[in-house]
Amino acid sequence: EEQLVESGGGLVKPGGSLRLSCAASGFPLSRYSMNWVRQAPGKGLEWVSFISSRSDYIYYADSVKGRFTASRDNAKNSVFLQMDSLRAEDTATYFCARDEGDNWFGPWGQGTLVAVSS
Amino acid sequence: DIQMTQSPAFVSASVGDSVTITCRASQNIRSWLAWYQQKPGKAPKLLINAASSLQSGVPSRFSGSGSGTDFTLTISSLQPDDFATYYCQQANSFPLTFGGGTRVDIK
Repeated sequence: EEQLVESGGGLVKPGGSLRLSCAASGFPLSRYSMNWVRQAPGKGLEWVSFISSRSDYIYYADSVKGRFTASRDNAKNSVFLQMDSLRAEDTATYFCARDEGDNWFGPWGQGTLVAVSS
Repeated sequence: DIQMTQSPAFVSASVGDSVTITCRASQNIRSWLAWYQQKPGKAPKLLINAASSLQSGVPSRFSGSGSGTDFTLTISSLQPDDFATYYCQQANSFPLTFGGGTRVDIK
Protein backbone atom coordinates (compact mmCIF):
# COMPACT_ATOMS: atom_id res chain seq x y z
CA GLU A 1 0.00 0.00 0.00
CA GLU A 2 1.32 3.43 -0.92
CA GLN A 3 1.60 5.55 2.19
CA LEU A 4 2.97 8.89 3.34
CA VAL A 5 3.43 9.66 7.03
CA GLU A 6 4.33 13.13 8.30
CA SER A 7 5.96 13.85 11.65
CA GLY A 8 7.71 16.66 13.48
CA GLY A 9 4.85 19.04 14.14
CA GLY A 10 4.25 20.67 17.49
CA LEU A 11 3.98 23.90 19.44
CA VAL A 12 6.73 26.46 18.84
CA LYS A 13 7.21 30.11 19.80
CA PRO A 14 7.29 32.85 17.16
CA GLY A 15 10.75 33.04 15.65
CA GLY A 16 11.41 29.39 16.40
CA SER A 17 12.15 26.47 14.10
CA LEU A 18 10.75 23.05 13.31
CA ARG A 19 11.72 20.31 10.89
CA LEU A 20 8.94 18.26 9.37
CA SER A 21 9.54 14.81 7.93
CA CYS A 22 7.50 12.80 5.45
CA ALA A 23 8.24 9.09 5.21
CA ALA A 24 7.13 7.20 2.13
CA SER A 25 6.39 3.48 1.84
CA GLY A 26 4.93 1.20 -0.79
CA PHE A 27 6.45 3.07 -3.74
CA PRO A 28 9.90 4.29 -4.81
CA LEU A 29 10.07 7.88 -3.57
CA SER A 30 13.09 8.53 -5.79
CA ARG A 31 10.86 8.48 -8.88
CA TYR A 32 8.55 11.24 -7.72
CA SER A 33 8.56 14.93 -7.08
CA MET A 34 6.94 15.86 -3.81
CA ASN A 35 4.98 18.80 -2.44
CA TRP A 36 4.09 20.32 0.91
CA VAL A 37 0.61 21.79 1.30
CA ARG A 38 -0.77 23.41 4.44
CA GLN A 39 -4.18 24.19 5.84
CA ALA A 40 -4.76 26.72 8.59
CA PRO A 41 -7.49 25.76 11.08
CA GLY A 42 -10.89 26.08 9.42
CA LYS A 43 -9.36 27.46 6.21
CA GLY A 44 -8.59 26.28 2.70
CA LEU A 45 -5.55 24.63 1.17
CA GLU A 46 -2.31 26.51 0.47
CA TRP A 47 0.56 25.03 -1.54
CA VAL A 48 3.90 25.58 0.24
CA SER A 49 6.74 23.88 -1.64
CA PHE A 50 7.72 21.54 -4.49
CA ILE A 51 10.89 19.47 -4.71
CA SER A 52 11.76 17.46 -7.80
CA SER A 53 12.82 13.83 -7.64
CA ARG A 54 16.54 14.63 -7.67
CA SER A 55 16.24 17.96 -5.83
CA ASP A 56 17.30 19.90 -8.91
CA TYR A 57 14.13 22.01 -8.88
CA ILE A 58 12.73 23.46 -5.67
CA TYR A 59 9.96 26.06 -5.52
CA TYR A 60 8.28 27.90 -2.67
CA ALA A 61 5.21 29.98 -2.05
CA ASP A 62 6.05 33.65 -1.54
CA SER A 63 4.66 33.44 1.99
CA VAL A 64 7.46 31.06 3.08
CA LYS A 65 10.30 31.91 0.69
CA GLY A 66 13.53 32.59 2.56
CA ARG A 67 12.23 30.96 5.77
CA PHE A 68 11.40 27.39 4.73
CA THR A 69 13.74 24.90 3.06
CA ALA A 70 12.64 21.68 1.36
CA SER A 71 15.00 18.74 1.04
CA ARG A 72 14.90 14.99 0.56
CA ASP A 73 16.86 11.82 1.16
CA ASN A 74 15.81 9.25 -1.42
CA ALA A 75 17.94 6.56 0.21
CA LYS A 76 15.83 6.98 3.34
CA ASN A 77 12.55 7.41 1.40
CA SER A 78 11.95 10.73 3.10
CA VAL A 79 11.35 14.38 2.37
CA PHE A 80 11.77 17.22 4.81
CA LEU A 81 10.62 20.77 5.41
CA GLN A 82 12.88 22.92 7.56
CA MET A 83 10.83 25.82 8.90
CA ASP A 84 12.68 28.78 10.42
CA SER A 85 11.58 32.20 11.66
CA LEU A 86 8.11 30.83 12.27
CA ARG A 87 5.19 33.20 12.55
CA ALA A 88 1.70 32.90 14.00
CA GLU A 89 0.31 32.78 10.45
CA ASP A 90 2.29 29.57 9.79
CA THR A 91 -0.02 27.74 12.19
CA ALA A 92 -1.57 24.96 10.11
CA THR A 93 -1.73 21.28 9.40
CA TYR A 94 1.07 20.45 6.99
CA PHE A 95 0.55 17.70 4.45
CA CYS A 96 3.09 16.09 2.16
CA ALA A 97 1.68 14.97 -1.17
CA ARG A 98 3.11 13.03 -4.07
CA ASP A 99 3.29 14.85 -7.36
CA GLU A 100 1.66 12.76 -10.06
CA GLY A 101 3.90 14.19 -12.75
CA ASP A 102 1.90 17.20 -13.80
CA ASN A 103 1.78 19.13 -10.55
CA TRP A 104 -1.35 17.59 -9.12
CA PHE A 105 -1.31 15.70 -5.92
CA GLY A 106 -1.96 11.98 -5.65
CA PRO A 107 -1.43 10.25 -2.33
CA TRP A 108 -1.35 12.58 0.67
CA GLY A 109 -0.14 12.00 4.20
CA GLN A 110 -2.45 12.40 7.18
CA GLY A 111 -0.88 15.73 8.10
CA THR A 112 1.06 17.09 11.06
CA LEU A 113 -0.08 20.10 13.08
CA VAL A 114 2.23 23.06 13.57
CA ALA A 115 1.13 25.67 16.12
CA VAL A 116 3.10 28.91 16.46
CA SER A 117 2.21 30.76 19.63
CA SER A 118 3.88 32.46 22.57
CA ASP B 1 0.25 34.40 -9.56
CA ILE B 2 -2.86 32.68 -10.91
CA GLN B 3 -5.93 33.27 -8.75
CA MET B 4 -8.55 30.53 -8.57
CA THR B 5 -12.09 31.57 -7.71
CA GLN B 6 -14.61 28.91 -6.75
CA SER B 7 -18.36 29.30 -6.49
CA PRO B 8 -20.51 28.83 -4.62
CA ALA B 9 -18.67 28.72 -1.30
CA PHE B 10 -21.46 26.66 0.19
CA VAL B 11 -24.23 24.52 -1.26
CA SER B 12 -27.00 22.70 0.56
CA ALA B 13 -28.37 19.71 -1.34
CA SER B 14 -30.28 16.47 -0.88
CA VAL B 15 -29.32 12.90 -1.72
CA GLY B 16 -30.03 12.36 -5.40
CA ASP B 17 -29.60 16.01 -6.37
CA SER B 18 -27.20 17.14 -9.07
CA VAL B 19 -24.60 19.67 -7.90
CA THR B 20 -22.34 21.85 -10.04
CA ILE B 21 -19.32 23.71 -8.71
CA THR B 22 -17.55 26.35 -10.77
CA CYS B 23 -13.89 27.31 -10.75
CA ARG B 24 -12.50 30.31 -12.63
CA ALA B 25 -8.82 31.00 -13.24
CA SER B 26 -7.45 34.52 -13.49
CA GLN B 27 -5.60 33.56 -16.68
CA ASN B 28 -5.58 30.78 -19.26
CA ILE B 29 -4.51 27.50 -17.69
CA ARG B 30 -5.51 25.32 -20.66
CA SER B 31 -6.58 22.02 -19.05
CA TRP B 32 -4.17 22.13 -16.13
CA LEU B 33 -6.81 21.78 -13.45
CA ALA B 34 -7.48 19.24 -10.72
CA TRP B 35 -10.39 18.70 -8.32
CA TYR B 36 -10.08 17.34 -4.77
CA GLN B 37 -12.53 16.16 -2.15
CA GLN B 38 -11.80 16.69 1.54
CA LYS B 39 -13.74 15.35 4.50
CA PRO B 40 -13.35 16.80 8.02
CA GLY B 41 -10.10 15.79 9.69
CA LYS B 42 -8.85 13.99 6.58
CA ALA B 43 -6.38 14.69 3.81
CA PRO B 44 -7.73 15.78 0.43
CA LYS B 45 -8.32 13.13 -2.22
CA LEU B 46 -7.66 13.66 -5.92
CA LEU B 47 -10.85 13.17 -7.93
CA ILE B 48 -10.13 14.60 -11.37
CA ASN B 49 -7.01 15.79 -13.16
CA ALA B 50 -6.45 17.46 -16.52
CA ALA B 51 -9.86 19.11 -16.05
CA SER B 52 -11.87 16.02 -16.99
CA SER B 53 -9.86 12.84 -16.34
CA LEU B 54 -11.44 10.79 -13.57
CA GLN B 55 -9.03 9.14 -11.18
CA SER B 56 -9.18 5.35 -10.89
CA GLY B 57 -11.75 4.29 -8.31
CA VAL B 58 -13.68 7.57 -8.34
CA PRO B 59 -17.40 7.00 -9.03
CA SER B 60 -18.64 7.97 -12.47
CA ARG B 61 -21.22 10.36 -10.99
CA PHE B 62 -18.30 12.80 -10.70
CA SER B 63 -17.37 14.63 -13.88
CA GLY B 64 -15.25 17.62 -14.78
CA SER B 65 -15.26 19.90 -17.78
CA GLY B 66 -13.83 23.13 -19.08
CA SER B 67 -10.61 24.60 -20.41
CA GLY B 68 -8.92 27.97 -20.49
CA THR B 69 -10.32 29.91 -17.55
CA ASP B 70 -13.70 28.31 -16.74
CA PHE B 71 -14.18 24.85 -15.25
CA THR B 72 -16.94 22.85 -13.60
CA LEU B 73 -17.20 19.85 -11.32
CA THR B 74 -20.55 18.08 -11.47
CA ILE B 75 -21.84 15.44 -9.10
CA SER B 76 -24.76 13.93 -10.99
CA SER B 77 -26.64 12.16 -8.19
CA LEU B 78 -25.41 13.15 -4.76
CA GLN B 79 -24.75 10.26 -2.39
CA PRO B 80 -24.32 10.42 1.41
CA ASP B 81 -20.56 9.86 1.02
CA ASP B 82 -20.26 12.96 -1.18
CA PHE B 83 -20.97 15.51 1.53
CA ALA B 84 -17.57 17.16 1.85
CA THR B 85 -15.56 20.19 0.77
CA TYR B 86 -14.30 20.38 -2.81
CA TYR B 87 -11.27 22.32 -4.05
CA CYS B 88 -9.97 23.12 -7.50
CA GLN B 89 -6.22 23.56 -8.10
CA GLN B 90 -4.34 24.94 -11.06
CA ALA B 91 -1.27 23.01 -12.17
CA ASN B 92 -0.29 25.33 -15.03
CA SER B 93 2.49 27.19 -13.27
CA PHE B 94 4.19 27.86 -9.95
CA PRO B 95 3.07 28.95 -7.45
CA LEU B 96 0.42 26.26 -7.56
CA THR B 97 -2.85 27.66 -6.27
CA PHE B 98 -6.16 26.36 -4.97
CA GLY B 99 -9.65 27.72 -5.06
CA GLY B 100 -11.22 28.72 -1.78
CA GLY B 101 -13.33 25.56 -1.55
CA THR B 102 -16.98 24.63 -1.83
CA ARG B 103 -18.66 22.93 1.08
CA VAL B 104 -21.48 20.56 0.11
CA ASP B 105 -23.87 20.02 3.01
CA ILE B 106 -26.98 17.96 3.54
CA LYS B 107 -30.22 19.89 3.16
